[in-house]
Amino acid sequence: DTGVSQDPRHKITKRGQNVTFRCDPISEHNRLYWYRQTLGQGPEFLTYFQNEAQLEKSRLLSDRFSAERPKGSFSTLEIQRTEQGDSAMYLCASSPDRAVNTIYFGEGSWLTVV
Amino acid sequence: AQTVTQSQPEMSVQEAETVTLSCTYDTSESNYYLFWYKQPPSRQMILVIRQEAYKQQNATENRFSVNFQKAAKSFSLKISDSQLGDTAMYFCAFMKTQGAQKLVFGQGTRLTINP
Repeated sequence: DTGVSQDPRHKITKRGQNVTFRCDPISEHNRLYWYRQTLGQGPEFLTYFQNEAQLEKSRLLSDRFSAERPKGSFSTLEIQRTEQGDSAMYLCASSPDRAVNTIYFGEGSWLTVV
Repeated sequence: AQTVTQSQPEMSVQEAETVTLSCTYDTSESNYYLFWYKQPPSRQMILVIRQEAYKQQNATENRFSVNFQKAAKSFSLKISDSQLGDTAMYFCAFMKTQGAQKLVFGQGTRLTINP
């Protein structure tokens, strides 16, 4: 069990570029979550998958954001036409169905839009 | 919608002292989970302790314990014999047991343990 893995850990991009983050959950964890955290704030929920099904999306997830989990294993979060306001830490978390209150977080992916 | 409030942006204590972090929440749910997460400067969110609302007994994990007051919707974290490694941001979080099981976080409390 290597924990929740996120890649890249840091990304600097120019405004208007697209970026993609990857999350590998703990193996056999059916549930996968994405959160966004800005400096000095608590994480905010973005979206949630149970296996490959995306069950909920926050209103924070504008049409420039898309998340996938095609085979129910790893997930990607893509941000198109990045804006400076997208600068944040993007956190991935996972949990098993049998213990939904046991949620493990990855180390996060820092995005800086310049 | 559920909300979580942490009224102490920053706290600072001396090593070996006991410190209590406050958290209140608002919900109409009767059953739910409450959590305290720690986020050290390395940034990875680590689960410290969790409580299920239907359990009256307060959760305890070694030096960490909670005071869960369901009627008052209060969920404070007590850290005994504080250590330098306890220095971190601490987040209180809420999750429903039914429906969308997502964490709702408070704003956090920055705790500094001084030598």
